[in-house]
Amino acid sequence: DGGITQSPKYLFRKEGQNVTLSCEQNLNHDAMYWYRQDPGQGLRLIYYSQIVNDFQKGDIAEGYSVSREKKESFPLTVTSAQKNPTAFYLCASSIGIQGAIRYTFGSGTRLTVV
Amino acid sequence: ILNVEQSPQSLHVQEGDSTNFTCSFPSSNFYALHWYRWETAKSPEALFVMTLNGDEKKKGRISATLNTKEGYSYLYIKGSQPEDSATYLCAISYGGSQGNLIFGKGTKLSVKP
Repeated sequence: DGGITQSPKYLFRKEGQNVTLSCEQNLNHDAMYWYRQDPGQGLRLIYYSQIVNDFQKGDIAEGYSVSREKKESFPLTVTSAQKNPTAFYLCASSIGIQGAIRYTFGSGTRLTVV
Repeated sequence: ILNVEQSPQSLHVQEGDSTNFTCSFPSSNFYALHWYRWETAKSPEALFVMTLNGDEKKKGRISATLNTKEGYSYLYIKGSQPEDSATYLCAISYGGSQGNLIFGKGTKLSVKP
């Protein structure tokens, strides 16, 4: 079955360390996204990529970096510059455009920085 | 940044009760509204995508309506069951968003047996 795999489910890191969250899809979707969720907040867009080797900042990109070297993969690096990295991170991919767009989500990674 | 509001924030109902929640959004430049069901420790699951004013969609005991002129959508669950317990997310896409979705904070539904 096609889908999105995020690993690991839980991640612990020390303050000041960079950490990379994995997101892989086998849906052949062109577009991929990273969202962040904090308690009591909606999902907020960090970065998105509509095509290989191209990506755009979302609403809260500061302190994060991404790459899109392959269609299937869109890893997110949480850098030491991110002031509040502890959060739940959700990856998604999509197919279609505008009103016909369809999203598929991973099951998320909960990052705790201590 | 556009704002998508969902109410109520949380809801506790008894098994068999019918319930509904609201999603409000800016009506200008609207393209589509998405409803998702998100169970704890799982991926959000798409319920409906609606684009036209007056759209009504149904999936089993769950249905949704859309009013793009006044900027709201209702999600209805008829005869709630414990397995309906989840967070229900609303999201919109709009002109110029390049397909990106703007999410509400969700409505957390708990159904007691």
